[in-house]
Amino acid sequence: GESVGLHLPTLSVQEGDNSIINCAYSNSASDYFIWYKQESGKGPQFIIDIRSNMDKRQGQRVTVLLNKTVKHLSLQIAATQPGDSAVYFCAESWTGRRALTFGSGTRLQVQP
Amino acid sequence: DTAVSQTPKYLVTQMGNDKSIKCEQNLGHDTMYWYKQDSKKFLKIMFSYNNKELIINETVPNRFSPKSPDKAHLNLHINSLELGDSAVYFCASSQGEGEAFFGQGTRLTVV
Repeated sequence: GESVGLHLPTLSVQEGDNSIINCAYSNSASDYFIWYKQESGKGPQFIIDIRSNMDKRQGQRVTVLLNKTVKHLSLQIAATQPGDSAVYFCAESWTGRRALTFGSGTRLQVQP
Repeated sequence: DTAVSQTPKYLVTQMGNDKSIKCEQNLGHDTMYWYKQDSKKFLKIMFSYNNKELIINETVPNRFSPKSPDKAHLNLHINSLELGDSAVYFCASSQGEGEAFFGQGTRLTVV
């Protein structure tokens, strides 16, 4: 198995609770933000994105909130399920930059 | 159908060897990437190609040489492998500056 990720901050929640994962970004020029989910042994998987002209966007069971004033992004997962257990990454980019700059990741553990 | 596929999934090799990782995307995207994920799970961009042209090279040692024979392929060749190259390498693609789709990763172990 993997021995990676031992230093990741971990959020532990009970099944059925809501989860909130936070992310701070540093580049004021960033205008595109995205959340990824990475399960063990797999590549990052897109969850939801948001552009800087919005402050909230909702998907299925997930909501992303963007606060540009304090450069803060959050991912809210409603009714967290065991299948949501994974490492979650925020990432940012800006117009003209064809790449994502990733945050350090948060491990979400869902207790049954 | 796998959208972004990379091979091999695992690669174990000795220091000093040269190895390649292949990547193909069938999404019709115009931009492809290589990212490196270290032992602390930190993901960092290495290269970005748009329509076969290199547009980002993030201070990667020149032992790493990407090659894009066409828009659907971006291969990564690594010369003179070092212990510190051990990591998981992810290929990804996107259409323009939109969401990137990632492959399953190649775990490279240099011994």
